[in-house]
Amino acid sequence: AQSVTQLDSQVPVFEEAPVELRCNYSSSVSVYLFWYVQYPNQGLQLLLKYLSGSTLVKGINGFEAEFNKSQTSFHLRKPSVHISDTAEYFCAVSEFRDTGRRALTFGSGTRLQVQP
Amino acid sequence: KAGVTQTPRYLIKTRGQQVTLSCSPISGHRSVSWYQQTPGQGLQFLFEYFSETQRNKGNFPGRFSGRQFSNSRSEMNVSTLELGDSALYLCASSPDRGHEQYFGPGTRLTVT
Repeated sequence: AQSVTQLDSQVPVFEEAPVELRCNYSSSVSVYLFWYVQYPNQGLQLLLKYLSGSTLVKGINGFEAEFNKSQTSFHLRKPSVHISDTAEYFCAVSEFRDTGRRALTFGSGTRLQVQP
Repeated sequence: KAGVTQTPRYLIKTRGQQVTLSCSPISGHRSVSWYQQTPGQGLQFLFEYFSETQRNKGNFPGRFSGRQFSNSRSEMNVSTLELGDSALYLCASSPDRGHEQYFGPGTRLTVT
């Protein structure tokens, strides 16, 4: 079984500053990795995904993440945040299965608070 | 393409009652998954349906069930509601050849 650890429950940051949200995972098989964002009273929006290939993946809204297999990490970064980035961010993994079954395991979330 | 839609958006039920939630996936997506989100337990996988068959199941009691119709629309049912079932229930759909999931806005269920 896989697990996901988001090391920071809250990250306060000033507007236009860079930010990194940390994510580590554990799995006995290969995984796919995702970051989702959730705004208040809304569902989850896919920010970016790592399936294979280049370990640096770019997503929407200027976010990017780097897959590090040796450290089993998938940290999310943005070079300059905006007030509108204030939200809850979730890291998720899905085990690679040739059965096609899909089930995401989520981390506990990181609340990004962007201050003016 | 239209996104994943869920109805209703809000529900208030009483302990012991049952409830049915509905989800319409993105057009062309045959995989539909359900998740429960609570402050205490976070986001937890309930089950996945593909072509009207349950393909995967999480660790929830039998009171939680679902089904999928031939047009890929899905419903989930919770019987004998408990206070702890109060949660945001999220539905997600996935393309056949993709591994990412696209989520709907959720149904907020309150059990009193």
